[in-house]
Amino acid sequence: GEDVEQSLFLSVREGDSSVINCTYTDSSSTYLYWYKQEPGAGLQLLTYIFSNMDMKQDQRLTVLLNKKDKHLSLRIADTQTGDSAIYFCAESIYQGGKLIFGQGTELSVKP
Amino acid sequence: GAGVSQSPSNKVTEKGKDVELRCDPISGHTALYWYRQRLGQGLEFLIYFQGNSAPDKSGLPSDRFSAERTGESVSTLTIQRTQQEDSAVYLCASSRGGLNEGGFFGPGTRLTVL
Repeated sequence: GEDVEQSLFLSVREGDSSVINCTYTDSSSTYLYWYKQEPGAGLQLLTYIFSNMDMKQDQRLTVLLNKKDKHLSLRIADTQTGDSAIYFCAESIYQGGKLIFGQGTELSVKP
Repeated sequence: GAGVSQSPSNKVTEKGKDVELRCDPISGHTALYWYRQRLGQGLEFLIYFQGNSAPDKSGLPSDRFSAERTGESVSTLTIQRTQQEDSAVYLCASSRGGLNEGGFFGPGTRLTVL
């Protein structure tokens, strides 16, 4: 079945790197996504990676995909207090299809 | 509009009443999704529309929930005989339906059932 798991909380100091982890069960996932949800705001798509890629970098964000272990991670370099939010991992099984979301990881950045 | 809009932004209703939530997707987006987010929890898939294809209703939690979409425009999610456990934020998203389209989300409708 389809299942996406994330750890619930992560706390880091400002300026450190943050690594948010996600595991998924369906090996037929085509795209994997990271969304950010700030308090009182909607979900914002941060980045995505296609299943035939191992890594994708976008400014301070680095996505690593280990397809063998079905493990996805999001690394945020030089984490800022403005990065405090809930981060959701999601997978898509087929073209344009529904996204299956994890429970979200609450990132707390301390000054 | 520039993004996905939803109305109302907040809805308080009494148990047993019916409610209707509206989603206006981004123009030209053929795919439209409804999700539910209970307090402190992740997103729960409800229903997915893609063009004129039959919708994927596999996430609807009971027959009290239904949704319609006219063509590639507005969608309404209807909850009949609301229960307290229906209290949640209901999120709508739309996309062009391509493989790299993760969906653009609206701000949600916060439903509170008393």
